[in-house]
Amino acid sequence: GQNIDQPTEMTATEGAIVQINCTYQTSGFNGLFWYQQHAGEAPTFLSYNVLDGLEEKGRFSSFLSRSKGYSYLLLKELQMKDSASYLCAAMDSNYQLIWGAGTKLIIKP
Amino acid sequence: GAVVSQHPSRVICKSGTSVKIECRSLDFQATTMFWYRQFPKQSLMLMATSNEGSKATYEQGVEKDKFLINHASLTLSTLTVTSAHPEDSSFYICSARGGKEAGELFFGEGSRLTVL
Repeated sequence: GQNIDQPTEMTATEGAIVQINCTYQTSGFNGLFWYQQHAGEAPTFLSYNVLDGLEEKGRFSSFLSRSKGYSYLLLKELQMKDSASYLCAAMDSNYQLIWGAGTKLIIKP
Repeated sequence: GAVVSQHPSRVICKSGTSVKIECRSLDFQATTMFWYRQFPKQSLMLMATSNEGSKATYEQGVEKDKFLINHASLTLSTLTVTSAHPEDSSFYICSARGGKEAGELFFGEGSRLTVL
């Protein structure tokens, strides 16, 4: 079956760095997405990886290893506004997004 | 980026009534829109794929007669929850593909439905 695993919750300190991991198993693969979702709001697109390696976008970076079925989202210089849930989603061979349950990130001062 | 607007953001209704939620793409045409449901602390669950001018494609376990989807134009899809029950209370979110990547979705603001 198809499955996405990511930690339920993580805590980090303002100004620090945090890495949110995601492993996936899908029927075929057409890319890995990360979305940010603040409580009570809709998700917003953060990043897309389809080739192995690291994609950097400002304070956020995303990494993909297709052979390992693994991705991570790296957040640097954490700010209080980064407190949110981070959703990992893999696109299968039918271009359907398979969603993880999300990782709730708590930032402490 | 592309804008998707969803309305209403919150709705409270009595059990047995029907509720309609609208999803509009404001600055682009969306031949396909997606309707999700999200329970607290859980991930998005795809309910159905809404196709302009044709019938929606429902995911397994989603009752098509209960969750009516109409995609009458390239900018509007509606979800009607018919004969709502308390267990239908949830956060409903629509999305459409509008970015350069195939999976880059733009989401509506979401609609929180509470059925009394």
